Amino acid sequence: KAGVTQTPRYLIKTRGQQVTLSCSPISGHRSVSWYQQTPGQGLQFLFEYFSETQRNKGNFPGRFSGRQFSNSRSEMNVSTLELGDSALYLCASRGGGADTGELFFGEGSRLTVL
Amino acid sequence: DAKTTQPNSMESNEEEPVHLPCNHSTISGTDYIHWYRQLPSQGPEYVIHGLTSNVNNRMASLAIAEDRKSSTLILHRATLRDAAVYYCILRQFMNSGGYQKVTFGIGTKLQVIP
Repeated sequence: KAGVTQTPRYLIKTRGQQVTLSCSPISGHRSVSWYQQTPGQGLQFLFEYFSETQRNKGNFPGRFSGRQFSNSRSEMNVSTLELGDSALYLCASRGGGADTGELFFGEGSRLTVL
Repeated sequence: DAKTTQPNSMESNEEEPVHLPCNHSTISGTDYIHWYRQLPSQGPEYVIHGLTSNVNNRMASLAIAEDRKSSTLILHRATLRDAAVYYCILRQFMNSGGYQKVTFGIGTKLQVIP
């Protein structure tokens, strides 16, 4: 079955702009989580959505937001971009509920803020 | 929040076993220990997970200390394809709905020497 798909793969923005990233989970998966990866901080958890509701949130400012649609696809938005937002943004899907198994990651969207 | 601590880097000779350590001294009773690895330019890939007992799968073995404050990922015969960054993470059940919080470390960069 198809894996987790993230679009776009690469994008360049300037400070002050906003960006929207998309994540399509594996068919049948109901949970999508988002992560920011930078060389200095490693992988940091942003938030998780399950059944269109945000269930958990990491320690990021309110400029970072997301949503999930009824088909489980998810988007994350970053407003008023700062240079420090340059990173690889990864999403992962899982079955959801009491599932304790693996997270399936996409290849990420690499954002560069100039 | 519970955190994990891993060495920044390790080296191994090809076809020799590798033991990757992880400390998680503040682990809670509902935290599952997961290992993922990330190859260059790819999203993380699931390796193995466990709660209290040692686990084996086709990729690796996971040894969990009796007090659960540390664990070790064991690659039985390292190959060049195993060169990656290995992340030890904790996934915590937040409530009966299974919504989970994820804590990542910086990861261990494994270099495999031919």
